[in-house]
Order: sequence, then C-alpha cells, then structure tokens
Amino acid sequence: EAGVTQSPTHLIKTRGQQATLRCSPISGHTSVYWYQQALGLGLQFLLWYDEGEERNRGNFPPRFSGRQFPNYSSELNVNALELEDSALYLCASSLEGTETQHFGPGTRLTVL
Amino acid sequence: AQKITQTQPGMFVQEKEAVTLDCTYDTSDPSYGLFWYKQPSSGEMIFLIYQGSYDQQNATEGRYSLNFQKARKSANLVISASQLGDSAMYFCAMDEGQGGSEKLVFGKGTKLTVNP
Repeated sequence: EAGVTQSPTHLIKTRGQQATLRCSPISGHTSVYWYQQALGLGLQFLLWYDEGEERNRGNFPPRFSGRQFPNYSSELNVNALELEDSALYLCASSLEGTETQHFGPGTRLTVL
Repeated sequence: AQKITQTQPGMFVQEKEAVTLDCTYDTSDPSYGLFWYKQPSSGEMIFLIYQGSYDQQNATEGRYSLNFQKARKSANLVISASQLGDSAMYFCAMDEGQGGSEKLVFGKGTKLTVNP
C-alpha cells in the first residue's frame, strides 16, 4: 500500500510570492490534514479537509488556503509569502471513522 | 493553553536497554485519543502507537508500549530493547472528540539518542 505522497520535496520562493504544495492521501482515505512545523514553534495544525470540504482550520491567516479534489488529493496554497512561512509542511490522511493520521514525507518551504 | 507536555527535551539510552519517554496531557473531553509519532532526521512522521481514552488495556505495538495512566493524565511511551535506528525525535499527540480524528495537538517532542 502506497503511503501519503507530497510534492515538491523542496520549494524555494521569495517574499511576496505564492507557493502551492500538493498531497496525495493513502488510497481509500478521505480526510487530509495539513500541519506546519516551523523551527522553534513545533507542529501546528493548519487545515482539515474531508469529502472535499474544509472541516477545520488552525490559527493561521487567510493567506493560507487549500482545497481537496474529487480524488481526495489536496493542495495547500500560501499567498504573499513571508520569511516566517519557512517551515516543513506535513500532510496526513486518515480513513473515515478511524483515529490514526498517517503522514507524508513533507515539503520543505524556504522563503528568501 | 498547552495541552500536551513533554518535559524531556533530550534522552540518552544504551543500545538494548529500555527507555521511557514522558507525556502528560490536559483535556476536559471524556473522549480522546493519544498518539506517539517518531520523526527521524528525514522529516517524515511515523505513527508508532495509539491509545483511546476508553481503552481498558495499555496499547502495545512490537517494542513499543504505552503506559496509560488516566487519572494522572499521562501517556508515557516505553521502548524496549533500544536499537540505533530508534534515534529520532518522538512526539506525543492528542485528538479530541468522537468519531474519527479532527486535528492533532502535538507536544514539543523529545530527542532520543541511542548509544552503541
């Protein structure tokens, strides 16, 4: 069974630009979660998508947005990038009605 | 308010010995789940073990066991027979609410180093 995949592995942008990160969940999983792991701030919940709808959102500004496609894959968009957006962005998926979230390898975003 | 507390920033253990990583949590919800994840230097979060708040027995998965003390609100991870490959960051996490996970709240992690 293939795990959660994320692309790209690394992404370098400059301040003010937009970044798009992609995630494909484990086959059969309908929920996708996004987390930010910034240096010194730990893992912070960003967004939860289920069946194409945004179900929950963490304490992040609106320039962090995303969507979930009919095949349950997901995109995270970060607009107007700031230096402090530099972090490892982790995507996770879970099967409906189960507790465990399975994580992908992450996308490391660097904002210069 | 911080809901997951991991008080050990770093731990050292000799290969083949057991080690306990501490985790305490805070919640008023009677239904919750507790998780441990391992994060090697590569960055991927690897699920290790899960304990539901209503589970009567402590969870075990191979060399990993979770010492769940509900009254004390603690969920310590025990790794038996440590291996060099166990060197990594370990995160305790909790989700709240019934019927599947919503969001995970993570502790700050413990860096485990296994010495040969």
